[in-house]
Amino acid sequence: GAGVSQSPSNKVTEKGKDVELRCDPISGHTALYWYRQRLGQGLEFLIYFQGNSAPDKSGLPSDRFSAERTGESVSTLTIQRTQQEDSAVYLCATRQTSGNTIYFGEGSWLTVV
Amino acid sequence: AQSVAQPEDQVNVAEGNPLTVKCTYSVSGNPYLFWYVQYPNRGLQFLLKYITGDNLVKGSYGFEAEFNKSQTSFHLKKPSALVSDSALYFCAVRDGGGGNKLTFGTGTQLKVEL
Repeated sequence: GAGVSQSPSNKVTEKGKDVELRCDPISGHTALYWYRQRLGQGLEFLIYFQGNSAPDKSGLPSDRFSAERTGESVSTLTIQRTQQEDSAVYLCATRQTSGNTIYFGEGSWLTVV
Repeated sequence: AQSVAQPEDQVNVAEGNPLTVKCTYSVSGNPYLFWYVQYPNRGLQFLLKYITGDNLVKGSYGFEAEFNKSQTSFHLKKPSALVSDSALYFCAVRDGGGGNKLTFGTGTQLKVEL
């Protein structure tokens, strides 16, 4: 596609429910990142995928968070048993293997009530 | 570990005046440096980057940034600010020696007033 596409754009969920967020990368972009941005704060790295290599999961805040990506396709970020502190914008970004610029999607706005 | 500091939470500028948004970084290898802009309720848009070469890089919307290795800085500048430049600006660094993670500063809110 022309840009990084994320869905849903907005999600309101009850505390304790599981949520799944989706990211469609720019075609041909092998590297994919997930970041979290809490209200009024900067970007917090969550996870990085590069092709079929083992992902860098060093930023995942707890075992309630997980992400999947098969090859160079869609990625999903799953948050289990959501808590109010999970409320944030979840941003996906991608880049080409040999490229330096990371391009962001519009984000998925998650509100846990 | 790599890090980015944006010492100003907010910068206020009158329209038509020059603006500077400050950024300093720390990274073990060669720095790859980036500026992104975020408008309300939107994702981040790429403005410009420094990878190698000329220390002064030009980007979108008339913005430019100067890489200063001795001061480990990458300040964002524009000669004449517009009200429409009002937004949240993020500086980011990546280790050019093979690191994949892009580390962001906490952001600087730019407010351009008439």
